[in-house]
Amino acid sequence: DAMVIQNPRYQVTQFGKPVTLSCSQTLNHNVMYWYQQKSSQAPKLLFHYYDKDFNNEADTPDNFQSRRPNTSFCFLDIRSPGLGDAAMYLCATSNWGATEAFFGQGTRLTVV
Amino acid sequence: GQQLNQSPQSMFIQEGEDVSMNCTSSSIFNTWLWYKQDPGEGPVLLIALYKAGELTSNGRLTAQFGITRKDSFLNISASIPSDVGIYFCAGLIQGAQKLVFGQGTRLTINP
Repeated sequence: DAMVIQNPRYQVTQFGKPVTLSCSQTLNHNVMYWYQQKSSQAPKLLFHYYDKDFNNEADTPDNFQSRRPNTSFCFLDIRSPGLGDAAMYLCATSNWGATEAFFGQGTRLTVV
Repeated sequence: GQQLNQSPQSMFIQEGEDVSMNCTSSSIFNTWLWYKQDPGEGPVLLIALYKAGELTSNGRLTAQFGITRKDSFLNISASIPSDVGIYFCAGLIQGAQKLVFGQGTRLTINP
């Protein structure tokens, strides 16, 4: 059974139109991450939550925001998607102090 | 920032051959992880390494955590078609609880 679930798997949005990607987990992990992965590249960390504490990476554009209303859910909001934001967006979870992180299947975002 | 150098970037092999890839870093990591990513999917954890010098197997996969804690390798023996994909090493920055990824090794297998 899937433990980290991302919806939708594929998302098409218009240039400049806000879009939200969602992630849910059944692992009860206290850390949730959002990564951006462009074609043939390594995943790049955008930000992560430790419980409700939000930790933004220094080079994450302001266009990207996140919300974590409870332990199970985390959202990635892209306020004004540009063509360069087309990518696979990966959600992952772990427990603080643990040594493993588990990924969802990803949402592939297309910007038209 | 901390970076992982993964090599080779791509491999083209015949089915049944053994495969070896490695990761090096200028920084010390306390945990090394190896993931496989199929096209259009998220990375799946293959092997986790926790101690310097540790050698761990998972079926046909074997991985080692280097003694210096700055490198790791992954071997796949007797490759099969379903081994095709991109393999990523990742180091865990403890304290910050963040993963740093290598650039990936794309494995292609000719039948």
